[in-house]
Amino acid sequence: GAGVSQSPRYKVAKRGQDVALRCDPISGHVSLFWYQQALGQGPEFLTYFQNEAQLDKSGLPSDRFFAERPEGSVSTLKIQRTQQEDSAVYLCASSFQGIAKNIQYFGAGTRLSVL
Amino acid sequence: DQQVKQNSPSLSVQEGRISILNCDYTNSMFDYFLWYKKYPAEGPTFLISISSIKDKNEDGRFTVFLNKSAKHLSLHIVPSQPGDSAVYFCAASGLGGGATNKLIFGTGTLLAVQP
Repeated sequence: GAGVSQSPRYKVAKRGQDVALRCDPISGHVSLFWYQQALGQGPEFLTYFQNEAQLDKSGLPSDRFFAERPEGSVSTLKIQRTQQEDSAVYLCASSFQGIAKNIQYFGAGTRLSVL
Repeated sequence: DQQVKQNSPSLSVQEGRISILNCDYTNSMFDYFLWYKKYPAEGPTFLISISSIKDKNEDGRFTVFLNKSAKHLSLHIVPSQPGDSAVYFCAASGLGGGATNKLIFGTGTLLAVQP
């Protein structure tokens, strides 16, 4: 089967624009994670879903960031009124089980550039 | 405060020799550790993992060692191949706090294997 798919691969936004980033996890994976990776850094946790429930959003940097997974499969990360510091690669990962120590499988990411 | 540290930004090794990548962590609550490999413009790819109840895990050319008392783990690649050239991320999980199994990443080590 297919891996984790993210779209778009690249997004350029003017400061103040809203953007929506999509993640298609591996079929049947219960858990879905969003990470933000700044240049030269490791990925940093943003938020976590178990099925459709958003169980942890402690990593979201501000209330301009919003994520949803309404049917427990596809997820969307929305950033409102983008700012230059939002420029980063946004990675989505999925894993089979929610609580057990499971391997997370990553998509290729969306590179967001805010001008 | 960086909870997972990779103090070597880069490493260069001759083909056929051993590559040793190091990782230190500060939080004794971590109980699961993973290594990911990342090529440019791709997402991180899972390589190997180890639970805190073990001190060694081996998979082909890749071996991970865990020293809990020193809060240190290392990845050994033997023999190194040019295709191993990539950025390697160490990650840890198990901080609890509910159902989240988020990964805490180091900043990565760029491995270059010279032919």
